[in-house]
Amino acid sequence: AQSVAQPEDQVNVAEGNPLTVKCTYSVSGNPYLFWYVQYPNRGLQFLLKYITGDNLVKGSYGFEAEFNKSQTSFHLKKPSALVSDSALYFCAVRDDRGSTLGRLYFGRGTQLTVWP
Amino acid sequence: NAGVTQTPKFQVLKTGQSMTLQCAQDMNHNSMYWYRQDPGMGLRLIYYSASEGTTDKGEVPNGYNVSRLNKREFSLRLESAAPSQTSVYFCASRLTLGFLRTGGDTGELFFGEGSRLTVL
Repeated sequence: AQSVAQPEDQVNVAEGNPLTVKCTYSVSGNPYLFWYVQYPNRGLQFLLKYITGDNLVKGSYGFEAEFNKSQTSFHLKKPSALVSDSALYFCAVRDDRGSTLGRLYFGRGTQLTVWP
Repeated sequence: NAGVTQTPKFQVLKTGQSMTLQCAQDMNHNSMYWYRQDPGMGLRLIYYSASEGTTDKGEVPNGYNVSRLNKREFSLRLESAAPSQTSVYFCASRLTLGFLRTGGDTGELFFGEGSRLTVL
């Protein structure tokens, strides 16, 4: 079955420090991976995706993610965190098999808090 | 450009009451989805519609029905609400490219702002 795991419920980091939000995946076939961000009382917003090609994917708001096939990971990173980055982050994998074609499976989310 | 619009934003129901959540998108997307979000559970797919005229069950369809009224609109109905259906509901849409069974799309999901439902 397709699935993603976000091992940390919460990540806390000081403003200006680098941040990493972890995600590991399990898929049969090619992995199509996504990161979304959710600000309080809002819907999810797309950050970036990995379909194929370069292992380092760049996305919105200075975020990037590193795809590692051997470790089945897709960690979200940012070199210098901002207080405004505080939000709930979701990793997702797309299922491209048969009748479930195109469905996204989400992780449980990681709450990122950046303190001043 | 409104994107994905959900109504209502908030609703309180009594057990056994029925209601319909409305969703409309103006991006000419062919696929639409209903998710529910519960603390510690992430997002779980209730129903989806890969194209106009088709609907399929997701992970947690029990207690819900859907209607893909046209390409723009995808509604979610609770026939007899239960406290376990207290949640935040999100509608989403996506442009899927190419022939459905061969995939080929890379489109991301666009989400509405959510509908917060409380069942007493």
